[in-house]
Amino acid sequence: KNEVEQSPQNLTAQEGEFITINCSYSVGISALHWLQQHPGGGIVSLFMLSSGKKKHGRLIATINIQEKHSSLHITASHPRDSAVYICAVRVPYTDKLIFGTGTRLQVFP
Amino acid sequence: EPEVTQTPSHQVTQMGQEVILRCVPISNHLYFYWYRQILGQKVEFLVSFYNNEISEKSEIFDDQFSVERPDGSNFTLKIRSTKLEDSAMYFCASSTPRTFNEQYFGPGTRLTVT
Repeated sequence: KNEVEQSPQNLTAQEGEFITINCSYSVGISALHWLQQHPGGGIVSLFMLSSGKKKHGRLIATINIQEKHSSLHITASHPRDSAVYICAVRVPYTDKLIFGTGTRLQVFP
Repeated sequence: EPEVTQTPSHQVTQMGQEVILRCVPISNHLYFYWYRQILGQKVEFLVSFYNNEISEKSEIFDDQFSVERPDGSNFTLKIRSTKLEDSAMYFCASSTPRTFNEQYFGPGTRLTVT
């Protein structure tokens, strides 16, 4: 069983739609990351969360530590949001991140 | 804005050859990491490096792999004798002690072993 599970695996949306990507994890964590991977492969860090909620532009990330669940929301989605969104968790007292398999998002005009 | 850079962007090598992948972390960062992503699979942790030594490594990081910080700015990953299954995207990342959990990723090096 994967320690980090994401859903859905694939997501298509029309421009302007509200998007939600979910991440569940089975281990104790010190932080959770949301990352964006572009078609060319590069990875950009979007958020790092240990509690509560963060917002950056049209992106909102929330985490519920008790339920071991996080969501990434995109408001007013745009074709340029098309990418793979990856959830990764950091286990306490270790350096490593454990990654989910990613959610491939395609936003059509 | 400071960023992590990696060279080359794409490396093609023959099986059995040694390769060195290079990374220049953000200048005031002290923690360094290598990850890999085999095509179609999830990103996997390889190794972390701090204070000129490996602080943690995964089971993937066997004796064929080594890392070093040769000159205070570059951070390298060496694969001694490449195998076909080493073909992957390799990502370098760095972080500061103050923002220990926040890792900044480089653009990756795509390694193709033929």
